[in-house]
Amino acid sequence: DTGVSQNPRHKITKRGQNVTFRCDPISEHNRLYWYRQTLGQGPEFLTYFQNEAQLEKSRLLSDRFSAERPKGSFSTLEIQRTEQGDSAMYLCASSFPLGGWNEQFFGPGTRLTVL
Amino acid sequence: EDQVTQSPEALRLQEGESSSLNCSYTVSGLRGLFWYRQDPGKGPEFLFTLYSAGEEKEKERLKATLTKKESFLHITAPKPEDSATYLCAVGSGGYQKVTFGTGTKLQVIP
Repeated sequence: DTGVSQNPRHKITKRGQNVTFRCDPISEHNRLYWYRQTLGQGPEFLTYFQNEAQLEKSRLLSDRFSAERPKGSFSTLEIQRTEQGDSAMYLCASSFPLGGWNEQFFGPGTRLTVL
Repeated sequence: EDQVTQSPEALRLQEGESSSLNCSYTVSGLRGLFWYRQDPGKGPEFLFTLYSAGEEKEKERLKATLTKKESFLHITAPKPEDSATYLCAVGSGGYQKVTFGTGTKLQVIP
């Protein structure tokens, strides 16, 4: 399978704990995106990487959130001191600049539940 | 700020009953309008990109069209397997950020 993969698929944690999610994009895609989606809503943009550089960040991305893409391949999203409002599906997508403008291909998501 | 409004929020169709989903948008300099399909508990699946008014794209029973203010996703003779949430999104300016609507939940009844 050469699609976008995300791990873990589900994460249950207690309020105040730190969590980290991983995204492996499609291998030739150099652009990587993180989104958050809550029930009944569309995905909300969090941040964007081109290769290892983080080029855009949403105002939604508070200082408790940090994302990295150290070698321009996989990416991690860390949430520190989780709050119940962080419960959501976290989606990763990737795209290739020589394809259609910003056609993004999504992974299956990581569902986070904060108790 | 870019805005995307989708209607209806939910749509129930009999198998074979054609219909259209609407996506109205407000952007400063449209770079692309995207349609995705999302099944429950899964990530969105890319369907189409439209770049300019008058453009149309088709895939099986789906046809997407674009005007300067809205896009339509036409579903011809739908089948139960077309049941999903259909998301519309826009990209604008020189940014990579894409803004999604809240989706239309389609249910096709046998």
